[in-house]
Amino acid sequence: AQKVTQAQTEISVVEKEDVTLDCVYETRDTTYYLFWYKQPPSGELVFLIRRNSFDEQNEISGRYSWNFQKSTSSFNFTITASQVVDSAVYFCALSEYGYGGATNKLIFGTGTLLAVQP
Amino acid sequence: GAVVSQHPSRVICKSGTSVKIECRSLDFQATTMFWYRQFPKQSLMLMATSNEGSKATYEQGVEKDKFLINHASLTLSTLTVTSAHPEDSSFYICSARRFGGDEQYFGPGTRLTVT
Repeated sequence: AQKVTQAQTEISVVEKEDVTLDCVYETRDTTYYLFWYKQPPSGELVFLIRRNSFDEQNEISGRYSWNFQKSTSSFNFTITASQVVDSAVYFCALSEYGYGGATNKLIFGTGTLLAVQP
Repeated sequence: GAVVSQHPSRVICKSGTSVKIECRSLDFQATTMFWYRQFPKQSLMLMATSNEGSKATYEQGVEKDKFLINHASLTLSTLTVTSAHPEDSSFYICSARRFGGDEQYFGPGTRLTVT
């Protein structure tokens, strides 16, 4: 069965600190997708990144970076120099690699509430 | 591009009534739409997957006679909560995907409160 675990339920940091959100997943599939989403208080899901299981290259995008380690089934997310506007719930999600590379149902972790204090 | 809308954004209804929620892909054809439910301070859980022109596939534990899903066109899927009860109060979010697409585009969600 597929499962996503986000062990950190809440994290509180002071503005400008770096913060890493952990994500560990379980799947029997050899190919799959991993995602990170941000959910601010408004409730709308904001897509942050998608990774294919066969692409372990880590990525940096502005203040965001991701560390995908297939050997440990982890897909961690780091925010550098955090800002108050980063305060939100962050979800890690897993999807099987469907027909033609399609993404199918998303299995979400329980989310990490990040509070950035000014 | 790839915008998904939901209507209404918020709805309050009385126990026993039915509520319909619309999910529309505004600028692309969505062959598949997904309906998720999120209870307060909890994660998102998939309720059902709908393919245009086919019956929806429901996740285990989701009552298909209570949560009616229709995906009659490539741009519209509807979720009807029949005989709603207070325990159905939740945040309902849809997502839409093109045929073979590797991305799901999420709607802004609908907050349902049943009194």
